[in-house]
Amino acid sequence: EAGVTQFPSHSVIEKGQTVTLRCDPISGHDNLYWYRRVMGKEIKFLLHFVKESKQDESGMPNNRFLAERTGGTYSTLKVQPAELEDSGVYFCASSSPGTSGRNEQFFGPGTRLTVL
Amino acid sequence: LAKTTQPISMDSYEGQEVNITCSHNNIATNDYITWYQQFPSQGPRFIIQGYKTKVTNEVASLFIPADRKSSTLSLPRVSLSDTAVYYCLVGDSLGGGGNKLTFGTGTQLKVEL
Repeated sequence: EAGVTQFPSHSVIEKGQTVTLRCDPISGHDNLYWYRRVMGKEIKFLLHFVKESKQDESGMPNNRFLAERTGGTYSTLKVQPAELEDSGVYFCASSSPGTSGRNEQFFGPGTRLTVL
Repeated sequence: LAKTTQPISMDSYEGQEVNITCSHNNIATNDYITWYQQFPSQGPRFIIQGYKTKVTNEVASLFIPADRKSSTLSLPRVSLSDTAVYYCLVGDSLGGGGNKLTFGTGTQLKVEL
C-alpha cells in the first residue's frame, strides 16, 4: 500500500511569488492534515480536512495560505504571496476512521520550502 | 491542551535499553498518550499509544503510572537505526485519528556503537 506522498520535495522561490504544495493521502483516508515546521520551531498544526470539508483550520497563519481538497482526494496548499517567514518543512498526514480507535496519523516526507 | 516536557537529548549505545520519560502534569481524563518517531528528512511515524498501565508492541513499551502525569517510552536493545527524534503527545483520541496532533520539542536520541 502506498503511503502519503507530497510534491514537490523541495521548492525554492522568491519573496512575493506563489507556491502550491500537493499532498496525496493514503487511499481511502478521509482525514487529511497539514502541518509545518519553521526553522528552529516545533511542528505545528495548520488544518484538518474530513473528506472535502475543512474540519479545523485554526492553525492557518493568515490569509496568504489557502488549502483545498476538491473531491476529497488529494489536497493542495497554496501560499500567495510567499514571505520569508514561510520557509520551513510542510508535512501532510492522513488517517482513517477505521484505524482501531487509536490516534495514528500517517505522515508524508514533507515539502521543504525556501523563500529567498 | 496538555503540555508535555521531555529531555532535549539522550545518548545510548547499541544493545542497551533506552527509557525516555515525558511529563504531562495537566493531562485530562479523556487524553491518551502517544509517541511518534521521526528520522531526518521524513515525517513523524506512530510508535505506540496508551491510556494507563502498560502497553507493549513489537517496537516499544509504554509505561504509564496510575496518576498518568508522566509516561515512559522504553526501547529494548536499541540499534544505530533507532537514532531519531521521539515525540510525546497528549490529547483526546477519537477513533481513527480525527484530532490534530500537538508536537513538543521532542527528544533527540543518538545511538552509538
